[in-house]
Amino acid sequence: GQNIDQPTEMTATEGAIVQINCTYQTSGFNGLFWYQQHAGEAPTFLSYNVLDGLEEKGRFSSFLSRSKGYSYLLLKELQMKDSASYLCAVLDSNYQLIWGAGTKLIIKP
Amino acid sequence: DGGITQSPKYLFRKEGQNVTLSCEQNLNHDAMYWYRQDPGQGLRLIYYSQIVNDFQKGDIAEGYSVSREKKESFPLTVTSAQKNPTAFYLCASSIGGDYSPLHFGNGTRLTVT
Repeated sequence: GQNIDQPTEMTATEGAIVQINCTYQTSGFNGLFWYQQHAGEAPTFLSYNVLDGLEEKGRFSSFLSRSKGYSYLLLKELQMKDSASYLCAVLDSNYQLIWGAGTKLIIKP
Repeated sequence: DGGITQSPKYLFRKEGQNVTLSCEQNLNHDAMYWYRQDPGQGLRLIYYSQIVNDFQKGDIAEGYSVSREKKESFPLTVTSAQKNPTAFYLCASSIGGDYSPLHFGNGTRLTVT
């Protein structure tokens, strides 16, 4: 079966750095997406990785290792508004999106 | 501003009743999707449409129906055949193409008692 694993919840301090991991076992791979979702709101697109390596976009970076079936989202200089759930999704060989359950990130002052 | 509008935000229904969730987009996107989000689970695809007057079943289509008569609109009907309809429903759209990111609406929380 296809599976995406993310930690259920993480806590970090305002101003710090946090890394949210995502491991996947899917039938094929055509890219990995990260979305941010505030409670009760729409998920919003953060990043897309299809090649190995680190993609940096402001305070957020996303890393991919296809050989390890692993990605992480790195958030720097954490702000209170970063408190949200972070969803990892993989595009499989049939171009279907397989979603992880999301990681709830709690930022403390 | 362009975006996706889902209405209503909260919906309550009695068991045995059909209910229709609205989804409208003014992004001029070809593709539209309906997902269901339950606690502790990833998003699950109910139906999707890549073009007007055409749609396909997703992973959990049983007990749901859709229509795509206009490019901007993709309503979802939750029928009485859906065994566990209480959930958070998200509508999304994309330009089309497999690598396009999804743009989501703010969701409708449906409670059936």
